[in-house]
Amino acid sequence: GAGVSQSPRYKVAKRGQDVALRCDPISGHVSLFWYQQALGQGPEFLTYFQNEAQLDKSGLPSDRFFAERPEGSVSTLKIQRTQQEDSAVYLCASSSYVQGRDEQYFGPGTRLTVT
Amino acid sequence: QQPVQSPQAVILREGEDAVINCSSSKALYSVHWYRQKHGEAPVFLMILLKGGEQKGHEKISASFNEKKQQSSLYLTASQLSYSGTYFCGTGGPGGNTGKLIFGQGTTLQVKP
Repeated sequence: GAGVSQSPRYKVAKRGQDVALRCDPISGHVSLFWYQQALGQGPEFLTYFQNEAQLDKSGLPSDRFFAERPEGSVSTLKIQRTQQEDSAVYLCASSSYVQGRDEQYFGPGTRLTVT
Repeated sequence: QQPVQSPQAVILREGEDAVINCSSSKALYSVHWYRQKHGEAPVFLMILLKGGEQKGHEKISASFNEKKQQSSLYLTASQLSYSGTYFCGTGGPGGNTGKLIFGQGTTLQVKP
């Protein structure tokens, strides 16, 4: 079946612009995660959804970052007033299990470049 | 606290073996191993859970030492396709959201 998809794959934004990144998880997956990956580093947790509920947003770096999953399926990560330090690959992952004891399937990521 | 992976990089010839270690300063409840090729999504390899349960690929093995707060990934008879960056991610206790804290990665290059 289809894996996790993300769009756009690449985004260039001028500093101060708002961006929206989309994630389509594997159908039926309850859990959805957003991670940020800087060049040469491991992914860093941003936020977690169980169905439509955002249960953990401890990794969001500032109040400029906002995520939603209104119908418990597709999720959008929004970054307002982008800054250069926001440049990174944003990865989305989904999992069928709710307690973190199952594999997370990652999407290909969105590479955001802020100029 | 981010787990620490070692070595940072390793170069092998096809057919050679490698071990990648993942150490945590906190108690380990689960360790998830992923491989990522340049520009691609991380691909799931294995999960090791406190209590001994393992889930993953047949040709890759790993260990979970609860006492030492360490996990090791064993790559035997390496193939060219094993090249990439390997990440370990540590999970929290049961009931946790499932978020993973990833190490900085180990880059593996397999040469013919």
